[in-house]
Amino acid sequence: EPEVTQTPSHQVTQMGQEVILRCVPISNHLYFYWYRQILGQKVEFLVSFYNNEISEKSEIFDDQFSVERPDGSNFTLKIRSTKLEDSAMYFCARGNRGRGGELFFGEGSRLTVL
Amino acid sequence: AQSVTQLDSQVPVFEEAPVELRCNYSSSVSVYLFWYVQYPNQGLQLLLKYLSGSTLVESINGFEAEFNKSQTSFHLRKPSVHISDTAEYFCAVTHKAAGNKLTFGGGTRVLVKP
Repeated sequence: EPEVTQTPSHQVTQMGQEVILRCVPISNHLYFYWYRQILGQKVEFLVSFYNNEISEKSEIFDDQFSVERPDGSNFTLKIRSTKLEDSAMYFCARGNRGRGGELFFGEGSRLTVL
Repeated sequence: AQSVTQLDSQVPVFEEAPVELRCNYSSSVSVYLFWYVQYPNQGLQLLLKYLSGSTLVESINGFEAEFNKSQTSFHLRKPSVHISDTAEYFCAVTHKAAGNKLTFGGGTRVLVKP
């Protein structure tokens, strides 16, 4: 049973459209992360989110991206205007600070931008 | 800045044969090291981790990895693989100040043949 559940598992969208990827943890946690993996490339850190605020973001995480936890449970990643190069597998993870970086990943959401 | 290099992108191996997946890292500070496994159509699962203490760490399914500070390596080994070990394996590094922001290697795809 995954620690976090991600939806959708696969989304196909047209370039320029908005996409929202969702992540639901099994239990209540404070630390959340988004990573992505472009096909054939490394898994890359996008953003970390602690106590309802962004704690760190990478260079990839530009103004087109946003994260929020609108209802205290779901954790979402929004891409405002998708580009072809946003096509990737997006992984949500939850973690516990103080446990040395151990992350528990969801099964991923595959985004295909046409 | 940290980086992780997994020298082998693919490793074919016969069932019951040993396997070694190589991982080298670079970092200017003390590190925490991880191996994650991704089975087909699934998310990333933690296989094992090195935080401190004994340099040899083991997983519950027979994998082990050894932290070698002088060689900046964290190679993963299993003395006898099973068909079910077919997966992609990712080495990752972080350090105390980075929290749970992991830097991943490019992954090694292990294909176990009968």
